[in-house]
Amino acid sequence: KAGVTQTPRYLIKTRGQQVTLSCSPISGHRSVSWYQQTPGQGLQFLFEYFSETQRNKGNFPGRFSGRQFSNSRSEMNVSTLELGDSALYLCASSSVQGENTEAFFGQGTRLTVV
Amino acid sequence: EDKVVQSPLSLVVHEGDTVTLNCSYEVTNFRSLLWYKQEKKAPTFLFMLTSSGIEKKSGRLSSILDKKELFSILNITATQTGDSAIYLCAVFQGAQKLVFGQGTRLTINP
Repeated sequence: KAGVTQTPRYLIKTRGQQVTLSCSPISGHRSVSWYQQTPGQGLQFLFEYFSETQRNKGNFPGRFSGRQFSNSRSEMNVSTLELGDSALYLCASSSVQGENTEAFFGQGTRLTVV
Repeated sequence: EDKVVQSPLSLVVHEGDTVTLNCSYEVTNFRSLLWYKQEKKAPTFLFMLTSSGIEKKSGRLSSILDKKELFSILNITATQTGDSAIYLCAVFQGAQKLVFGQGTRLTINP
């Protein structure tokens, strides 16, 4: 069974540009969530999608947006990039079965804004 | 405010030692508590805990949850240099959102 796949692995962008990151969850998982990891703030929740609907959103500006497709693949978009957006962006795939809620992460996309 | 607090933040031990990592939480709508190991990139799943007092084990690693006192511990026995990593504790809030602790950076010296 394939794991969570994130593309691209590395990105270098300049301030003001926009970027789109992609995440393919584990087959059968319908929940996809996104996290930003920085040395100063740790792992912070961006948003979560289930069956193409955003169910929860973290405390990030509107420049951060996402969507989920019918095959559960998800994309995350950041517009008008700022230097502070440089981070490791991680996607997690979950299958909720009763009380059992596990989440598995992709390898991440390392975004550098210059 | 929902929070997960890990201690210690950093730990250096010798190969063969036993370590205990701590995680306390105050999170509304608790669903489960998860432990991850992060070496270079993606956090690798270790354990999921939902019930108090039931120990989960995997080789030299074990973990237990106390839902009354709102904490969990992760034990690693007979540590090896390959155990050096950041260990992350996270609480699943309502099956939608993981709230992470700051992580414990564990260094195992030979």
